[in-house]
Amino acid sequence: QQQVKQSPQSLIVQKGGIPIINCAYENTAFDYFPWYQQFPGKGPALLIAIRPDVSEKKEGRFTISFNKSAKQFSLHIMDSQPGDSATYFCAAKAGNNDMRFGAGTRLTVKP
Amino acid sequence: SAVISQKPSRDICQRGTSLTIQCQVDSQVTMMFWYRQQPGQSLTLIATANQGSEATYESGFVIDKFPISRPNLTFSTLTVSNMSPEDSSIYLCSAEIGQETQYFGPGTRLLVL
Repeated sequence: QQQVKQSPQSLIVQKGGIPIINCAYENTAFDYFPWYQQFPGKGPALLIAIRPDVSEKKEGRFTISFNKSAKQFSLHIMDSQPGDSATYFCAAKAGNNDMRFGAGTRLTVKP
Repeated sequence: SAVISQKPSRDICQRGTSLTIQCQVDSQVTMMFWYRQQPGQSLTLIATANQGSEATYESGFVIDKFPISRPNLTFSTLTVSNMSPEDSSIYLCSAEIGQETQYFGPGTRLLVL
């Protein structure tokens, strides 16, 4: 089912660092790209989302960069904190079709 | 946004039995989804449940094993039938808002012995 490739599988950064998580897709019909944050024992929570008509979207410390020609998008977390330690999933959706999720990235932010 | 609750939050079941998971949304939604997530893994879509129509199942999932009900615009159930240890997983429901964004429930953690 996965049509979105996500990397890295895991990531460790120091507090204040800027972790970057990358996703790539093939289906050019995808037109909605959300990121979800999941803490252990919880359901995924929508973090930020972008449409392909913009190249960047920022919400607080979270930024999505989108490269339509390369069919890639990435999540940057500015000034990362230990509380950001979670698993992050990128996803992509085409119109009324199902959402497709990446494999997930387990982020650890060390104090 | 939407607030989604699931019952039960976790359960331990015996092989061969069935468990029904309930999903309640705090607003009316057209599309609801059921996912399975193994610990440390991504989400796998089981089926899409639209109110007033039969659920649509993904490849590898069948109605006899995972019957779904969608009686109204705020509620859905997923039954895991004739369970085996391989069904041990986290089951998540979600609801689509605005024809694009999905909001997830907290999940049901199932262990089959």
